[in-house]
Amino acid sequence: SQKIEQNSEALNIQEGKTATLTCNYTNYSPAYLQWYRQDPGRGPVFLLLIRENEKEKRKERLKVTFDTTLKQSLFHITASQPADSATYLCALDIWGDSNYQLIWGAGTKLIIKP
Amino acid sequence: DADVTQTPRNRITKTGKRIMLECSQTKGHDRMYWYRQDPGLGLRLIYYSFDVKDINKGEISDGYSVSRQAQAKFSLSLESAIPNQTALYFCATSDRGVNQPQHFGDGTRLSIL
Repeated sequence: SQKIEQNSEALNIQEGKTATLTCNYTNYSPAYLQWYRQDPGRGPVFLLLIRENEKEKRKERLKVTFDTTLKQSLFHITASQPADSATYLCALDIWGDSNYQLIWGAGTKLIIKP
Repeated sequence: DADVTQTPRNRITKTGKRIMLECSQTKGHDRMYWYRQDPGLGLRLIYYSFDVKDINKGEISDGYSVSRQAQAKFSLSLESAIPNQTALYFCATSDRGVNQPQHFGDGTRLSIL
């Protein structure tokens, strides 16, 4: 079965440094991968989407890479700020029963310390 | 106002009770989803609907049912609640087509005693 792994331990980063989060997957070849942010008591919010033929995607201080050989995506936040503290989720697309669905990682909690 | 609204936000109930969670959206999206989130696990899909007449089971549909009353409304029911259905439930919407981002409500925290 498809499996998505994100670091279960919280990631502590000093303000101003670059935070890097990892999403690894097995047993599937997704065409697309999405990253979301989730704050406590709130629903996930979409951040970025990257296609399999894109090596890298950027949006302001965010950068996502997608290595289909390693079956891994990296999510970077540069010049991190305490407001970036949240849980970050990755999601992969699959086709199940002829319908398009997303399957989700459990998320990594990021803590940016002032 | 929120684009995707879930009610109630919190609910505590007893084993065996019937519960309905409601979701409404103002985004005009055709597609709607119900997920549950448990600590340490990714979001798991319960049911999804690609339009008013299209309802599909997700990964964990046993013990749940849904109703798509209109394009904007999608409700989730637990016919006879059991304690292992205690979780955070999210409704989401998306536009047609692949790779569309999903837009989430703020969830319903459900506790079954």
